[in-house]
Amino acid sequence: AQKVTQAQTEISVVEKEDVTLDCVYETRDTTYYLFWYKQPPSGELVFLIRRNSFDEQNEISGRYSWNFQKSTSSFNFTITASQVVDSAVYFCALNAPNYGGATNKLIFGTGTLLAVQP
Amino acid sequence: GAVVSQHPSWVICKSGTSVKIECRSLDFQATTMFWYRQFPKQSLMLMATSNEGSKATYEQGVEKDKFLINHASLTLSTLTVTSAHPEDSSFYICSARNRRAGELFFGEGSRLTVL
Repeated sequence: AQKVTQAQTEISVVEKEDVTLDCVYETRDTTYYLFWYKQPPSGELVFLIRRNSFDEQNEISGRYSWNFQKSTSSFNFTITASQVVDSAVYFCALNAPNYGGATNKLIFGTGTLLAVQP
Repeated sequence: GAVVSQHPSWVICKSGTSVKIECRSLDFQATTMFWYRQFPKQSLMLMATSNEGSKATYEQGVEKDKFLINHASLTLSTLTVTSAHPEDSSFYICSARNRRAGELFFGEGSRLTVL
């Protein structure tokens, strides 16, 4: 079974705090891809990162960083020094190309609503 | 700027009417497009995979006669919600896979409200 779990439904922080969004996935495939997307109130999905299953290096992009740990099937996302503009719903997603025979089929988690208070 | 465009971005219709939503890849060819539905405060659920020049593949539980998908060209897929009912009110999002680069891009979404 393919599944993505984002246990945190809502998180509220004050500006400049660091915040970590959790993502746990399940798949039997050895080759898979993990994604994070941001969905601001306007609704569009903004791509943040894609990571393949063979690359466990952590990645940092500005205030964003991602911690991929295959041992715990987790792909957590940390925002450092959060800002009000970071307020959005964040989705973690899994693409296991062998699932259902279709490539690029994404399975989304339920999302985490992040509210950054000024 | 957006590389995948959806139109309309929002639509209100009466129950029983049909609504067509377009998904266009603006500067790349997309042999495969995907249609998702998102209910308020919920996740995105894949409805169907749209393949250029062939029939769409629907996910379990999605009525193919109600949600008609046409992918007539490499840059356009359409989703028609036939005989719409209030329970079809949702946010519909498409994504398109760049044929050459393999990247996946999402449209801005179309919010459908059925009265």
